[in-house]
Amino acid sequence: GIQVEQSPPDLILQEGANSTLRCNFSDSVNNLQWFHQNPWGQLINLFYIPSGTKQNGRLSATTVATERYSLLYISSSQTTDSGVYFCAVDPNSNSGYALNFGKGTSLLVTP
Amino acid sequence: DGGITQSPKYLFRKEGQNVTLSCEQNLNHDAMYWYRQDPGQGLRLIYYSQIVNDFQKGDIAEGYSVSREKKESFPLTVTSAQKNPTAFYLCASSLNPGREQFFGPGTRLTVL
Repeated sequence: GIQVEQSPPDLILQEGANSTLRCNFSDSVNNLQWFHQNPWGQLINLFYIPSGTKQNGRLSATTVATERYSLLYISSSQTTDSGVYFCAVDPNSNSGYALNFGKGTSLLVTP
Repeated sequence: DGGITQSPKYLFRKEGQNVTLSCEQNLNHDAMYWYRQDPGQGLRLIYYSQIVNDFQKGDIAEGYSVSREKKESFPLTVTSAQKNPTAFYLCASSLNPGREQFFGPGTRLTVL
């Protein structure tokens, strides 16, 4: 099956700093989503981005499908950004268009 | 208020018992999914349904069963055959297969 690798696995930032999270995938995909999992376990949709660039406030994402990677940028980080960030892809040959998840990047933003 | 609801939030089960986790959505979505998350891991697919009265096994379906009798409901039964059922279970839906997926708040199952 498709491999989804996220880096770094862990990240500690001081409030106000910027960061870039990376997602590499091993095959072509129909769909790519970025999620933020909060401390209560809720998965919050950040971006639906099979290709191109999108921005939402302090967050932006870029997917280069031909090179099989996606980047999530967090600018001016806040303590509320803490949590786990997941990249998930829907491979072309997947069953039912279900998502394949990476293991996540655990982010801690300190005051 | 539109969304995906899961109940219960926490569930404790004795070994050998079957339990059913509820997932309901009022988004008029055709596709629904069940995923399992273990500590420090990403999510893995258990079952999916692209349309009412149809469902298919995912990567880790052994020991689980589902039904899809109504468009808005996709309950998951964890049977006694599931060898390691303690986990966080998340339900998702999308308008159509392949469109953006949205997740419910999850159910934490603990087997005592």
